[in-house]
Amino acid sequence: AQKITQTQPGMFVQEKEAVTLDCTYDTSDPSYGLFWYKQPSSGEMIFLIYQGSYDQQNATEGRYSLNFQKARKSANLVISASQLGDSAMYFCAMREGINDMRFGAGTRLTVKP
Amino acid sequence: NAGVTQTPKFRILKIGQSMTLQCTQDMNHNYMYWYRQDPGMGLKLIYYSVGAGITDKGEVPNGYNVSRSTTEDFPLRLELAAPSQTSVYFCASSPGTGYGKLFFGSGTQLSVL
Repeated sequence: AQKITQTQPGMFVQEKEAVTLDCTYDTSDPSYGLFWYKQPSSGEMIFLIYQGSYDQQNATEGRYSLNFQKARKSANLVISASQLGDSAMYFCAMREGINDMRFGAGTRLTVKP
Repeated sequence: NAGVTQTPKFRILKIGQSMTLQCTQDMNHNYMYWYRQDPGMGLKLIYYSVGAGITDKGEVPNGYNVSRSTTEDFPLRLELAAPSQTSVYFCASSPGTGYGKLFFGSGTQLSVL
């Protein structure tokens, strides 16, 4: 069964606008971590933001925030004030045990000038 | 501050050849991972290790082998390369506690022709 689902293969956003990238997950473990990584065309994996399952507040890192809705098992990434350099693939990931991290299929974001 | 270093960056193999992808980290992390990323897809776990001398299979281990003789090094061995192993390979590491993020290497692009 798919653990991480990203339903948007591609998204477009106008420069300086905000955009939300969707992510839902499936787990029966009460303890887990949720992550978002950015992969630009150069190929490296860049960590953006982390949310723990017991964290009471939504995580924020600069222009990135994670909209965590635990009951709905959703962990959407919000990018505010989009920049051209935000154009990339974005992966949602979950770590249930300490052993491995599972990734979604990704969303390709294109920022239009 | 090298982090996670992978070599080579690119490689072309003929069907049936073997090779070893090298991965080393200088952060004294206990946990190390090998992922593969097929074109347009997310990352899938091949093998992981929770410490020197301990390895275990991930989601897609067939056709690969690993060893972990030191904390720093986690090589991935491809035996009898097949076209289905054409992919980008990422090595990653993390500390052994909590649900921390993974630190990724820059990837190895492998083509099997």
